[in-house]
Amino acid sequence: QLQLQESGPGPVKPSETLSLTCTVSGGSVSSRTHYWGWIRQPPGGGLEWIASIYYSGITYYNPSLKSRVTISVDTSKNQFSLTLTSVTAADTAVYSCARHAGMGTMPFDYWGQGALVTVSS
Amino acid sequence: EIVLTQSPGTLSLSPGERATLSCRASQTIINSRLAWYQQKPGQAPSLLVYGESIRATGIPDRFSGSGSGTDFTLTISRLEPEDFAVYSCQQYGDSPWTFGQGTKVEIK
Repeated sequence: QLQLQESGPGPVKPSETLSLTCTVSGGSVSSRTHYWGWIRQPPGGGLEWIASIYYSGITYYNPSLKSRVTISVDTSKNQFSLTLTSVTAADTAVYSCARHAGMGTMPFDYWGQGALVTVSS
Repeated sequence: EIVLTQSPGTLSLSPGERATLSCRASQTIINSRLAWYQQKPGQAPSLLVYGESIRATGIPDRFSGSGSGTDFTLTISRLEPEDFAVYSCQQYGDSPWTFGQGTKVEIK
């Protein structure tokens, strides 16, 4: 059974960089048929897709966040990561990692439990 | 980007009743690339239905999706106690992928 687990810093101060890692078990980030993505949900708000990556390093970003976001993959550790720079209180959210088969052809079929990241001084 | 508007915001029903949830898109969603997710407090979203009304693995047949173009519907034929949750739609046909704000199905 595929499992995804987010790990992250907890509280982050405004203007700092948020870094999160998703560890995949029961499957491989090197899969040729799947992509790996990050989605966030602010308190009381809707879901927002942030970015996705293929094992080869091809990346896809939401234009609304692209200038501040980097997604990367480490096939040796079976992990992929997200960095978000210059955070503000508006970046406070539950950040989830997820898998999808195909870019623009399939939805997210497996999700991690999510990691709450609070931006506060 | 495609904006998804879900209605109603909250649906108050009793177990055994039929639930009809709507998701309307600001522009046509190609190839009906729309998905529905169920989310319970403290849990990750679970994929329910996607595409041309394809149920995800293990999803009971009381869940069904329909629609095309800009108007989509998720129907739960007979609500079970475990079905009371928040339901969100997502379009994955046009980048950036977007989600609706969600419909909460609560016990009446």
